[in-house]
Amino acid sequence: NAGVTQTPKFRVLKTGQSMTLLCAQDMNHEYMYWYRQDPGMGLRLIHYSVGEGTTAKGEVPDGYNVSRLKKQNFLLGLESAAPSQTSVYFCASKQGNQPQHFGDGTRLSIL
Amino acid sequence: QQQVKQSPQSLIVQKGGISIINCAYENTAFDYFPWYQQFPGKGPALLIAIRPDVSEKKEGRFTISFNKSAKQFSLHIMDSQPGDSATYFCAASDNAGNMLTFGGGTRLMVKP
Repeated sequence: NAGVTQTPKFRVLKTGQSMTLLCAQDMNHEYMYWYRQDPGMGLRLIHYSVGEGTTAKGEVPDGYNVSRLKKQNFLLGLESAAPSQTSVYFCASKQGNQPQHFGDGTRLSIL
Repeated sequence: QQQVKQSPQSLIVQKGGISIINCAYENTAFDYFPWYQQFPGKGPALLIAIRPDVSEKKEGRFTISFNKSAKQFSLHIMDSQPGDSATYFCAASDNAGNMLTFGGGTRLMVKP
């Protein structure tokens, strides 16, 4: 039982490039989330999903897109990466009244 | 605008001492207040949580104190150990923890 797995763990991009971050959970959770973590700002919600085929905007959605085609996967896309998107990205999943379970993060640097 | 304010940003405590981290919130609709612990290179993990129907919750060396009228809550770590060295985040939610708003984090270092 792997829990929440994020791929890749590290990535360096050039400004303007695109990429997709993958989050996979094997706990059959309905809710999935993407956060970014920046020093002194805690975790801020980018997008979330309450079930397969649904997505919604969080606090800081600009510059990101998401898809939840399968219940176990939640993809975060950067269409045209900007230096301001350099961050650590965390995925989380949740079911019912249980707490959110987090992955170990993807460290993304944009030059 | 940060709806959950956390202090201090960093904290150094001697082994055996008490670590205290404070959070204040603005949204009176919040009714679930968890604390997360994060080690370097790892994701946050739930440490302890409280709902506003109680003023204190204790689990081992970790205690949450909650003051509803002041809209404040705090984490106390008794007999702090070097293994407690981590970043701690408070958070708040108004819907069974589905939508968490996080504080800015506190980096705790416990010196041997």
